[in-house]
Amino acid sequence: TQLLEQSPQFLSIQEGENLTVYCNSSSVFSSLQWYRQEPGEGPVLLVTVVTGGEVKKLKRLTFQFGDARKDSSLHITAAQPGDTGLYLCAGSNNDYKLSFGAGTTVTVRA
Amino acid sequence: NAGVMQNPRHLVRRRGQEARLRCSPMKGHSHVYWYRQLPEEGLKFMVYLQKENIIDESGMPKERFSAEFPKEGPSILRIQQVVRGDSAAYFCASLLNTEAFFGQGTRLTVV
Repeated sequence: TQLLEQSPQFLSIQEGENLTVYCNSSSVFSSLQWYRQEPGEGPVLLVTVVTGGEVKKLKRLTFQFGDARKDSSLHITAAQPGDTGLYLCAGSNNDYKLSFGAGTTVTVRA
Repeated sequence: NAGVMQNPRHLVRRRGQEARLRCSPMKGHSHVYWYRQLPEEGLKFMVYLQKENIIDESGMPKERFSAEFPKEGPSILRIQQVVRGDSAAYFCASLLNTEAFFGQGTRLTVV
């Protein structure tokens, strides 16, 4: 089993602040995905990164894949209450099985 | 989540009863995945199925749990003789390339 560790486990910030969450592993992945899950719902895919060093931006969200394809980060600029949720990273090695981290619970206070 | 349908959304069972969770994948998809999520834990892979075939059940508990995906109809995750430790959210997903599209889940509570 390839383990993905996410940090921090919990993050609470004020609206307008920036935040970064991390996803680390000792294993190399061919691709890594970030999902956001709201209470009572299933995870929703945000982005997939596949190339070492890749940076993708989705409005105020910036995703980076580490050069060695073992780690990733998600940075949110000027967070809003709508960004509140559980952020999950998941790694894949071109097969059908996604390995998920335990997630970071983000709370953005108005 | 669009297209992956799970029901029921919530299921309450007494200890010893059976739980049946249903999942219909995205239209045209013939593979489904089942994951279990416990509070403050990530999603744990349970089983990967295609129609009429179990491809990988390495994440399934050895006893009481079974899954099927018949030629017609939804995939079924079946838990026999439920115990309190089975209480969790169970998610089904379709996979497109390496990206998973999840249903809204079934929240099983064993009382």
